[in-house]
Amino acid sequence: GDSVTQMEGPVTLSEEAFLTINCTYTATGYPSLFWYVQYPGEGLQLLLKATKADDKGSNKGFEATYRKETTSFHLEKGSVQVSDSAVYFCALSPDNYGQNFVFGPGTRLSVLP
Amino acid sequence: DTEVTQTPKHLVMGMTNKKSLKCEQHMGHRAMYWYKQKAKKPPELMFVYSYEKLSINESVPSRFSPECPNSSLLNLHLHALQPEDSALYLCASSAGRQFFGPGTRLTVL
Repeated sequence: GDSVTQMEGPVTLSEEAFLTINCTYTATGYPSLFWYVQYPGEGLQLLLKATKADDKGSNKGFEATYRKETTSFHLEKGSVQVSDSAVYFCALSPDNYGQNFVFGPGTRLSVLP
Repeated sequence: DTEVTQTPKHLVMGMTNKKSLKCEQHMGHRAMYWYKQKAKKPPELMFVYSYEKLSINESVPSRFSPECPNSSLLNLHLHALQPEDSALYLCASSAGRQFFGPGTRLTVL
């Protein structure tokens, strides 16, 4: 079945450092790919998404590119802030309706001032 | 209105209590979901409703009983829960991607 693998962390960075969180997936067909963020005590918020190969999703300084050849969707940010401290989930949806989501295990990011 | 709302935000219940969690969305989405999330884990799918009919039940114990009264509302009825059922319960709806509510933090004593 479909699956998502991501580095579990925790990842601890200093403010203004460069962030990469790796995500790879296994799926049949052409899934849509997502990054969700969960701040402490809250639900999941969509951070960015990409629906086809070579698409780049971006939001709030975060970026991820859908790489079909390497089945990857790595999350990057050039300069992290303390407010970016959260858990980040990579996810895929095998259909265009957003159903049948598969989540990765999540990566906890702590950014120190 | 682009949000999913959930009530209550927090719930503490004993193992003999009956309680309900509520979820509401007014985005016209026809698929709604219940997830259970334990600490430091990703959400686990419990139930999927599609067009107000239960389409997926991921082998959830019968002490959890979902209900979809209409296309905007989703309930989760709880009865005779166990302490290990303590978790964050998330509701979501979908159209192209999933929209999550803020969750209900449930503690079973």
